Amino acid sequence: GIQVEQSPPDLILQEGANSTLRCNFSDSVNNLQWFHQNPWGQLINLFYIPSGTKQNGRLSATTVATERYSLLYISSSQTTDSGVYFCAVGGANTGNQFYFGTGTSLTVIP
Amino acid sequence: DAMVIQNPRYQVTQFGKPVTLSCSQTLNHNVMYWYQQKSSQAPKLLFHYYDKDFNNEADTPDNFQSRRPNTSFCFLDIRSPGLGDAAMYLCATSRGGFASTDTQYFGPGTRLTVL
Repeated sequence: GIQVEQSPPDLILQEGANSTLRCNFSDSVNNLQWFHQNPWGQLINLFYIPSGTKQNGRLSATTVATERYSLLYISSSQTTDSGVYFCAVGGANTGNQFYFGTGTSLTVIP
Repeated sequence: DAMVIQNPRYQVTQFGKPVTLSCSQTLNHNVMYWYQQKSSQAPKLLFHYYDKDFNNEADTPDNFQSRRPNTSFCFLDIRSPGLGDAAMYLCATSRGGFASTDTQYFGPGTRLTVL
């Protein structure tokens, strides 16, 4: 399978600060998603971004597929951004399987 | 509108007592997945169905079984739950296809407690 590592593992921010989360993967992918897991355990889709850049409000993501990494940017963080952020990837040879990263636990304090 | 529904949201069972978790979807997706997630860990894929085609992960214990009677429903059966099976169980769907270039949608999860 594809190995997926995320950094940093933990992050504490003051409300209003910006942050960058990173996802590295070990093989070429044709599917990459970023999720936010809220304190109740629900995984919420943030971006489907196998390549390129997307923005949605205060969040944006960039994937450089040739260099096998993706970045998630959070600007002007809010307490509701707290939770765990996962990236998950799928490859051309992995069928319908997705491989999850190790996650980044974000805490935003007021 | 709920797209992936899991019931129950919380399940308490006794050691060794069989339990069934339910997942349904209104997206008409071909693929349904079951993941196990333990505290402070990433979701771990147990198995998935592409339509009726069952795909088991190599390290999924035999204690875990699944059924998909139709497109909308998928069940996770734990035949003899042990204390180590206490976890959040997440169901997900995707449209599926040759290139696997689509989005996964997750249900809210069922948190299983084993006493």
